[in-house]
Amino acid sequence: DTAVSQTPKYLVTQMGNDKSIKCEQNLGHDTMYWYKQDSKKFLKIMFSYNNKELIINETVPNRFSPKSPDKAHLNLHINSLELGDSAVYFCASSQVGGSKYEQYFGPGTRLTVT
Amino acid sequence: GENVEQHPSTLSVQEGDSAVIKCTYSDSASNYFPWYKQELGKGPQLIIDIRSNVGEKKDQRIAVTLNKTAKHFSLHITETQPEDSAVYFCAASNSGGYQKVTFGTGTKLQVIP
Repeated sequence: DTAVSQTPKYLVTQMGNDKSIKCEQNLGHDTMYWYKQDSKKFLKIMFSYNNKELIINETVPNRFSPKSPDKAHLNLHINSLELGDSAVYFCASSQVGGSKYEQYFGPGTRLTVT
Repeated sequence: GENVEQHPSTLSVQEGDSAVIKCTYSDSASNYFPWYKQELGKGPQLIIDIRSNVGEKKDQRIAVTLNKTAKHFSLHITETQPEDSAVYFCAASNSGGYQKVTFGTGTKLQVIP
């Protein structure tokens, strides 16, 4: 059983297009995250939602808009894609306030903008 | 905000040798320090973590040490095996609130058979 799943795994698109990445977790966690990993493997948080409420919003262009329809889902929509958006995007989840603080990561979505 | 530095960026060891990865953090409010392992094509996975009220933690071949005063923490892997080859990330966060985890820059570990 997949704990954190993302779709699609690969996404190749042209500059200027709009695309979405979906994430689902079946762990019952109340907090979900989006991370961006660039070509040098730097892993940086973009957004975090707790119980569908946005709680972390790092310095990310307005072209990126997260959406959490429920606790188990966190989607990422990107408008007007640019070359610099090419990266691997990871979704993660955790349970805030529990005894364990582990974040569980999805398999990643490799976005290539041409 | 928190800043986590990690060294070395690459590390090659012979199978059976030990590997040590070191990190420093800047925010004295950080109290939770996880280590993640990322295998090729996969998401990071937690391998060990330590809280600020503990100086050392061990789990089989993996150990982590924390020096709160110096704001240093390290990962030690003993008797390395080829399957230990991966990218390792240290991280720091304040577990008191919503978890904003700041990751180090990663160490690519290669274990040579």
